[in-house]
Amino acid sequence: DTGVSQDPRHKITKRGQNVTFRCDPISEHNRLYWYRQTLGQGPEFLTYFQNEAQLEKSRLLSDRFSAERPKGSFSTLEIQRTEQGDSAMYLCASSVTRGGKPYEQYFGPGTRLTVT
Amino acid sequence: AQKITQTQPGMFVQEKEAVTLDCTYDTSDQSYGLFWYKQPSSGEMIFLIYQGSYDEQNATEGRYSLNFQKARKSANLVISASQLGDSAMYFCAMREGRKGDTGRRALTFGSGTRLQVQP
Repeated sequence: DTGVSQDPRHKITKRGQNVTFRCDPISEHNRLYWYRQTLGQGPEFLTYFQNEAQLEKSRLLSDRFSAERPKGSFSTLEIQRTEQGDSAMYLCASSVTRGGKPYEQYFGPGTRLTVT
Repeated sequence: AQKITQTQPGMFVQEKEAVTLDCTYDTSDQSYGLFWYKQPSSGEMIFLIYQGSYDEQNATEGRYSLNFQKARKSANLVISASQLGDSAMYFCAMREGRKGDTGRRALTFGSGTRLQVQP
């Protein structure tokens, strides 16, 4: 499978715990995005990387959230001191600046987080 | 103001019929891109079609076409010959910003339309 992969697919955690999600983009894609989707809503942008540089962060990304993309390959999204309001689907997407359809983002299957 | 508005929370269509899903957008940028994604119950977002703001022709991809009316700021998705497998959530999204900009690569999504295809 050469698509975007995310791990884990599901995570249940207790309020106050830290969680970390991983995203592996399509191998030649230099851009990587994180989105959050709550029930009944469209995805909301969290942050964006071009190679290893984090170029844009949404105001939704509070200081409890941190994302990294070491070496411009996979990315991790960590949430510290989780709150019930963090319960959502966390989607990762990747895209390439050359070739393919312009600006098309390919999404992974998502990580569903439930905070109890 | 909402940047992407999808006014139809749910739509029903008979198998083999065509259906139009509405999307209006709001931007002051001259250059932008409009996208439609499909999200089945499995949760994965599947890219369907893209329209650039400077594209003169309406985009088409197989059974999908995008009815782009720039003056009205609308980008409706038309699905021809609906199939049972088309039942899913459909999201309209926009990327703002000029080509070459390093920022604003994020997509802004609407709230979606749930399409149900009936046999």
